[in-house]
Amino acid sequence: AQSVTQPDIHITVSEGASLELRCNYSYGATPYLFWYVQSPGQGLQLLLKYFSGDTLVQGIKGFEAEFKRSQSSFNLRKPSVHWSDAAEYFCVLYSGAGSYQLTFGKGTKLSVIP
Amino acid sequence: NAGVTQTPKFRVLKTGQSMTLLCAQDMNHEYMYWYRQDPGMGLRLIHYSVGEGTTAKGEVPDGYNVSRLKKQNFLLGLESAAPSQTSVYFCASRPPGQSYEQYFGPGTRLTVT
Repeated sequence: AQSVTQPDIHITVSEGASLELRCNYSYGATPYLFWYVQSPGQGLQLLLKYFSGDTLVQGIKGFEAEFKRSQSSFNLRKPSVHWSDAAEYFCVLYSGAGSYQLTFGKGTKLSVIP
Repeated sequence: NAGVTQTPKFRVLKTGQSMTLLCAQDMNHEYMYWYRQDPGMGLRLIHYSVGEGTTAKGEVPDGYNVSRLKKQNFLLGLESAAPSQTSVYFCASRPPGQSYEQYFGPGTRLTVT
């Protein structure tokens, strides 16, 4: 069965510092992967997605993620964090044709110190 | 274009009461989903629909029923609410084809006392 692991429950960074959120997946075929962000009291917004091709994908709000098949990872990065980036981030795996279901990691909450 | 909307935004129920959550989308999407979000659990799929008149069970379907009578609406029902159903409920939709990403509503916070 497929699974997504986000090892860090909560991360705190200073504004202007770089950020990396970790994501590891388990899936028997080529994965389709997403990062979503949930601001406090809001729904989920898609940051970026990986389907195939270039392993470094760019998203909105200055985020990027790198797919590493050998490490089964899809880590999210941002070179300089802004206070408005404080939110919860979810790494998500598409479960495959026929079910159309997404498998969510448990999320990483990001706090930003001014 | 409102995207995905959910009604109501907040609700408090007593144990044993029933209610229906409404999800509406104006993007003509075929597929719709209901999730629940609990602290430290991420989102878990309750039920989903791949088209008007069709529904299927997800990961945590017990205690919930759904209906998709119109393409744009997906209803989630709780027949006899229990405290374990206290959660934030999200609806999502996606178009057919191979983008696979889902578009989420703002959520409904439900408390069962």
